[in-house]
Amino acid sequence: QKEVEQDPGPLSVPEGAIVSLNCTYSNSAFQYFMWYRQYSRKGPELLMYTYSSGNKEDGRFTAQVDKSSKYISLFIRDSQPSDSATYLCAIERPSGGSYIPTFGRGTSLIVHP
Amino acid sequence: EAQVTQNPRYLITVTGKKLTVTCSQNMNHEYMSWYRQDPGLGLRQIYYSMNVEVTDKGDVPEGYKVSRKEKRNFPLILESPSPNQTSLYFCASGPGTSGKLKEFFGPGTRLTVL
Repeated sequence: QKEVEQDPGPLSVPEGAIVSLNCTYSNSAFQYFMWYRQYSRKGPELLMYTYSSGNKEDGRFTAQVDKSSKYISLFIRDSQPSDSATYLCAIERPSGGSYIPTFGRGTSLIVHP
Repeated sequence: EAQVTQNPRYLITVTGKKLTVTCSQNMNHEYMSWYRQDPGLGLRQIYYSMNVEVTDKGDVPEGYKVSRKEKRNFPLILESPSPNQTSLYFCASGPGTSGKLKEFFGPGTRLTVL
């Protein structure tokens, strides 16, 4: 089992829809949880990071962490065609006395007008 | 403009020919790292550096070297490239001790090893 699982999609939604993107992880020792957006032929761009269970909101984006279920989500409200990109979850896992970000494979999102 | 720059952006080389991919950031970030991105495998960390002269291995360090002699630069060195190192490489940087949580990525270097 991969340490971080993410459905690659693609996920296709109409403009204005609420989008739910999800990741599961295997180890309860994992700490911080990040979401990145990556447009085609570009580097990833950090959207938000969180530590504790619960919700964290930033504009149209809400990150949700459920540590008891080892499940994280990113919700996008009022989705726009400009949100079309690949969304990567990343989770910090312990490694040799430190913590290393471990990324999911990414979910491709298509928002059509 | 705050940015991470990588050079070259595209490189085709042959097996065994040493190469260096440069990375530079202008944000005075302490933390810098290198990743490779492969289809089906996602982003995997190669090396990271918490500050000048402090580097450590990520998940896939074999076949790579790094150095951090200056705060702004973090070159990736492939001493003897092999075809399995064909990949898309990203350099990233982040501020302070929690820089790895707030990484700012460069545009990527696409490397092909023949």
